[in-house]
Amino acid sequence: GAVVSQHPSRVICKSGTSVKIECRSLDFQATTMFWYRQFPKQSLMLMATSNEGSKATYEQGVEKDKFLINHASLTLSTLTVTSAHPEDSSFYICSASEHAGLSGYTFGSGTRLTVV
Amino acid sequence: DAKTTQPPSMDCAEGRAANLPCNHSTISGNEYVYWYRQIHSQGPQYIIHGLKNNETNEMASLIITEDRKSSTLILPHATLRDTAVYYCIVHGSSNTGKLIFGQGTTLQVKP
Repeated sequence: GAVVSQHPSRVICKSGTSVKIECRSLDFQATTMFWYRQFPKQSLMLMATSNEGSKATYEQGVEKDKFLINHASLTLSTLTVTSAHPEDSSFYICSASEHAGLSGYTFGSGTRLTVV
Repeated sequence: DAKTTQPPSMDCAEGRAANLPCNHSTISGNEYVYWYRQIHSQGPQYIIHGLKNNETNEMASLIITEDRKSSTLILPHATLRDTAVYYCIVHGSSNTGKLIFGQGTTLQVKP
C-alpha cells in the first residue's frame, strides 16, 4: 500500500532557530499533501495544503511566514517552522493520497517538536 | 464537509465486538464516510470508507444507515492493540481534498 515517510520523528531545538520537517510519498506521486498539528489530548488541526509547483494554501489563523511549506517535487513536501518558540512545540503530521483522497489518505508517523 | 458527532469515549472487552457510532445528519449525496484511527503518538491510520452500502475489509466493517445520516464502525474481535482514537470523517470528492478531523471516540479495549 501507499507509504508516507516523515522525518525526523522527533526534534528538540532552541528558541529562535528554525526546524525543517520532511514528508515523502515513497511509492506514489502526490500533487497535494497536507500538514497537520496536534497538541496533547486534542484532535488534528489542519494547517495547510501543500501543492506541488505552487504556493501552499494555509488555513485561517496559520501564519504562512512562520510555517514555510515547499512542495518542490511530486514526492516531497517540507514544513519549516521558522523562529521557533516554545508554543510551537507540538506533534506535526503530514498526509497524502494516491488517488485524490478517494481511496483514503496515508499519514506520516509524525514529528514531535520540542522547542526549549 | 458535513459535520460528524461521535461519543467521546467507549470501553470494550478484549475479544468482543466494538461498535463505534457516528452521526452525520448533514451528509450530502456525494460525500463518503471515512474512518481513521490514531494510536497514541502515531499518525492516523485509514480503516475503511463507504458511500451508502455496507463495507467490510480485513480490519473492520462499516454499516451505513439507509438515510446515510449515521454509521457504525465494527471491530469484530477487539484486541488491546485496537485501543486508539477513532475518527469518523465525511469527505466528498468535489471539495478541495482537505480532511477535517473532529474530536473522535477514544476506544479503550480492556482485558
